[in-house]
Amino acid sequence: EAAVTQSPRNKVAVTGGKVTLSCNQTNNHNNMYWYRQDTGHGLRLIHYSYGAGSTEKGDIPDGYKASRPSQENFSLILELATPSQTSVYFCASGPGGNNQAPLFGEGTRLSVL
Amino acid sequence: GDSVTQTEGQVALSEEDFLTIHCNYSASGYPTLFWYVQYPGEGPQLLFRASRDKEKGSSRGFEATYDKGTTSFHLRKASVQESDSAVYYCALSQQGTGSKLSFGKGAKLTVSP
Repeated sequence: EAAVTQSPRNKVAVTGGKVTLSCNQTNNHNNMYWYRQDTGHGLRLIHYSYGAGSTEKGDIPDGYKASRPSQENFSLILELATPSQTSVYFCASGPGGNNQAPLFGEGTRLSVL
Repeated sequence: GDSVTQTEGQVALSEEDFLTIHCNYSASGYPTLFWYVQYPGEGPQLLFRASRDKEKGSSRGFEATYDKGTTSFHLRKASVQESDSAVYYCALSQQGTGSKLSFGKGAKLTVSP
């Protein structure tokens, strides 16, 4: 069964600390995405990847890095977490072709205190 | 750049009411349009999509018609149920970008028995 698994599901971090959010997909999809969800903003794209070793900036990349070490795994890294990065983060995977709908994970709720 | 506008942030209805959630887009060419639904504690899941002018997408009693003339993809359902309570997102992907989506801000639907 197609799946996107995020870990951790909940995280509390301190300001200035490093945070790594992990995502694993078993769909053999080329593309993976990180979004954040905030009330009044919907879902906004942070970083994405076309395959292992590739990362691209999305619409709001500042303060975030991404890493795609393998087809299955895509991480989002906050080197110096700030309270403004408190949000719910969603990972998604999708095929590389046009018109394809990405499949989302269940989200990670991050609080930066 | 490409964008999606959803005007209703919150929609409150009673069971068996008619639902309309408006979605307008701004994009060149023929983007693919999507409706996603998100239940509490879960990630967004695809409701349906449409890729061509006048194409109708539908699922679970929900439907929307791609209208390039008015750049719209409004979501409708004839008779809502309490179980339809969720957040609904309209999104688009541009040709050549694979499954990279731009989302609207979402509409929270609450249906009372």
